[in-house]
This record gives sequence, structure tokens and C-alpha cells, in this order.
Amino acid sequence: GDSVTQMEGPVTLSEEAFLTINCTYTATGYPSLFWYVQYPGEGLQLLLKATKADDKGSNKGFEATYRKETTSFHLEKGSVQVSDSAVYFCASYTGGFKTIFGAGTRLFVKA
Amino acid sequence: EAGVAQSPRYKIIEKRQSVAFWCNPISGHATLYWYQQILGQGPKLLIQFQNNGVVDDSQLPKDRFSAERLKGVDSTLKIQPAKLEDSAVYLCASSLGTNSAAEAFFGQGTRLTVV
Repeated sequence: GDSVTQMEGPVTLSEEAFLTINCTYTATGYPSLFWYVQYPGEGLQLLLKATKADDKGSNKGFEATYRKETTSFHLEKGSVQVSDSAVYFCASYTGGFKTIFGAGTRLFVKA
Repeated sequence: EAGVAQSPRYKIIEKRQSVAFWCNPISGHATLYWYQQILGQGPKLLIQFQNNGVVDDSQLPKDRFSAERLKGVDSTLKIQPAKLEDSAVYLCASSLGTNSAAEAFFGQGTRLTVV
């Protein structure tokens, strides 16, 4: 069945460091791909999305490119801030009314 | 715009007791979801409503879980009787329609602890 796999956390970085959180998916069709962020004590928020191969989603300095050849959707940010500390979830949607989430990756950014 | 409202925020119950959670989605959102998020895992869809009809409840443990969405607006999720493994955060989300299912807006969740 369809699945989403994320790199395990926690990821600990210093402020202004480069961030990469890996995400790969398996799907029988051609999914739309998403990154959600969950700040402490809050619900999930959509961070960015890409709906077809080679699309790049971006928001708040974060980017992710839909790579069909490697079935990946890695999240990147050039310079992280303390306020980026959160849990990040990769997700896929292939229709059938179901979104599949990865296990989440916790990011800690130190000042 | 008001977000998705959930209550209570926290609940502690003993196993075999019953519990109910409430969700009020964003006004105008036809689709409502209940997810279970166990610590260290991603959210798992329990049930999805389109207006007041069930679209998907394939992962809902129907022997103990039930959900309803009367009048197609707010919704309740009930567990009866609760088990220790039901300890999790229960997230409610809503979206305008099923074609944008992942563009859902989430509530803050209800953290359930079963002891």
C-alpha cells in the first residue's frame, strides 16, 4: 500500500544552519505531496505542497521539489531560525479521500 | 476567520470508561476528518465526513469507536470502552472539499490518557 517514510529525528541545528529533512514515498498512482508543520501545543499547519513531478513548493523560506525518479520530496531551508523548532510531517494524497502522513521529524534549533 | 475548535484539550480516564470529543469545523467546510496521533507517529485517519455522510471509516475500530456529524456541521467522536492503547492525541480537521483533502485545517487536538 501507499506509504511515506521520513528521516528519524530529532534533528538539532544551530541558528542559520542549512536544513534538510528527507522524505520518500511509495504510491501506486501519482500523488500530491505535502509538508505540514506542528509547533508546540498547536495543530498541524500546511507548510507547502507540490502536485506533480518537478514542481517545487515553497513557503517561509522552506522548499521541497517533487522528484518522481527518486520518489522523494525532501524539505530544505537555507538558514534556520529558533522559531522553526517544530515537528515536520511529510504527507501524500493519491485520491481515494485519504492523506497518508509520515511519522514526523522533530527539529530543534539552538540560538 | 475562526479556526477548527476542539474540546476538551486534555482528558484522563480509566480503562473501560467512555469518553467523547467534540469538534466544530471552519464555517463552510464540507469535509471533516478525525485523526488519531499516537506519540512518535504521524496522524492516522479514523473517519472522514462529507457534509453529514461518512466517506471513509475503514480505519475506525467500530467495536469501540463511533462518530457522528449531525446536520453536517460539528462532530463528536466517542470511545466506549477505552483501552490503554487508545492514549493519543485526537485531531479534528476540516477542508472545503475532498479534492483538496490535504489542504485541511487542523484543530489543536485533544490529548487522551487512558490509565
